[in-house]
Amino acid sequence: DQQVKQNSPSLSVQEGRISILNCDYTNSMFDYFLWYKKYPAEGPTFLISISSIKDKNEDGRFTVFLNKSAKHLSLHIVPSQPGDSAVYFCALMLEGNEKLTFGTGTRLTIIP
Amino acid sequence: EAQVTQNPRYLITVTGKKLTVTCSQNMNHEYMSWYRQDPGLGLRQIYYSMNVEVTDKGDVPEGYKVSRKEKRNFPLILESPSPNQTSLYFCASSLGAGLISNQPQHFGDGTRLSIL
Repeated sequence: DQQVKQNSPSLSVQEGRISILNCDYTNSMFDYFLWYKKYPAEGPTFLISISSIKDKNEDGRFTVFLNKSAKHLSLHIVPSQPGDSAVYFCALMLEGNEKLTFGTGTRLTIIP
Repeated sequence: EAQVTQNPRYLITVTGKKLTVTCSQNMNHEYMSWYRQDPGLGLRQIYYSMNVEVTDKGDVPEGYKVSRKEKRNFPLILESPSPNQTSLYFCASSLGAGLISNQPQHFGDGTRLSIL
């Protein structure tokens, strides 16, 4: 039973526009919410995170939003750049537990 | 350079032939973990280790073994591989202090295993 779902397997966005990636989860106990980015033939790399006590965290072009009541997480990338083309995974953590519970991934393609 | 190194990167083998995938990290991390990535399922945790000689099962441990005799190494062992273990495998490590340390898990570049 998939606890964390990314309902869009793929997404194409024009360069310069906003990319919005979504993630839904079922367990309201999670404390930390992360986004990882993965290029082909490489491991996932950490992008940005947010704790459950916040609803927004921003880092340059990347902003993560958390809606706890809806159990929904999103990543906004603006403006989108060709180098942002990758697979994006959301990952959730419980306080005091290093284990990451991953979503199913969304392949983002930025069109020049 | 801080890194997690996995070997081999690619392996094609046959059912039942024991294999080991090595994982080494140079960051003095306490926590290490193995994940497998399959289409439509994301990454799922196989085993993890909180420290030397401390290992525990993740979500999909069947058919796998691990050991943690030294802090830097965390090999994944398939005693009798089967075709359903064909997958992309990732090793990861972290300080083990949770996100309080603001240092989430670092991943290796992956090992693609094909079991025929």
